[in-house]
Amino acid sequence: DAGVIQSPRHEVTEMGQEVTLRCKPISGHNSLFWYRQTMMRGLELLIYFNNNVPIDDSGMPEDRFSAKMPNASFSTLKIQPSEPRDSAVYFCASSFVQGVTEAFFGQGTRLTVV
Amino acid sequence: ELKVEQNPLFLSMQEGKNYTIYCNYSTTSDRLYWYRQDPGKSLESLFVLLSNGAVKQEGRLMASLDTKARLSTLHITAAVHDLSATYFCAVDMKEYGNKLVFGAGTILRVKS
Repeated sequence: DAGVIQSPRHEVTEMGQEVTLRCKPISGHNSLFWYRQTMMRGLELLIYFNNNVPIDDSGMPEDRFSAKMPNASFSTLKIQPSEPRDSAVYFCASSFVQGVTEAFFGQGTRLTVV
Repeated sequence: ELKVEQNPLFLSMQEGKNYTIYCNYSTTSDRLYWYRQDPGKSLESLFVLLSNGAVKQEGRLMASLDTKARLSTLHITAAVHDLSATYFCAVDMKEYGNKLVFGAGTILRVKS
């Protein structure tokens, strides 16, 4: 398996624009996590899904953020409108939860909002 | 609310020395994970600890779990420069649908 695949790897956008980050989890995994990493706040859990259903989105910073998982092999994280303070590295991770939640991470998307 | 605290947050050590990173968590859980992150890279799974008293070792790193004390340790033996990285511990909460929460990370710098 190629692992968790995220796209794009880098994104530079202007403030106010819509940004969509994409994630393809490892085949067979049933949980998917979106994290945001910044120097100031560390690694924050934004939202996670079990069997394509959002379980906890309490980490989503505001209504400008939304996430979907239409099927087991694809998820998106959308920011609309984007702001400079959204600049961060966004990681997607997936796991197969059966007593263990060892998560495997994608390479991340480095988002810069100017 | 699940809280995961690591200390120290920054560790500078000489090659050949030993040291321990601590991870405390606030809820009952018997599953703890250690990850490594190199600068500019993603997170890589190091250890999965699944029960009280679990001990895992790989090379110069050894991780242990005490679920009664809600404490895990990552012990570094005879550090080498290649171990320089950021180390994270993470805990999942089965009662919250396996929510996986990370500590702040410990930045380790090994000086030669």
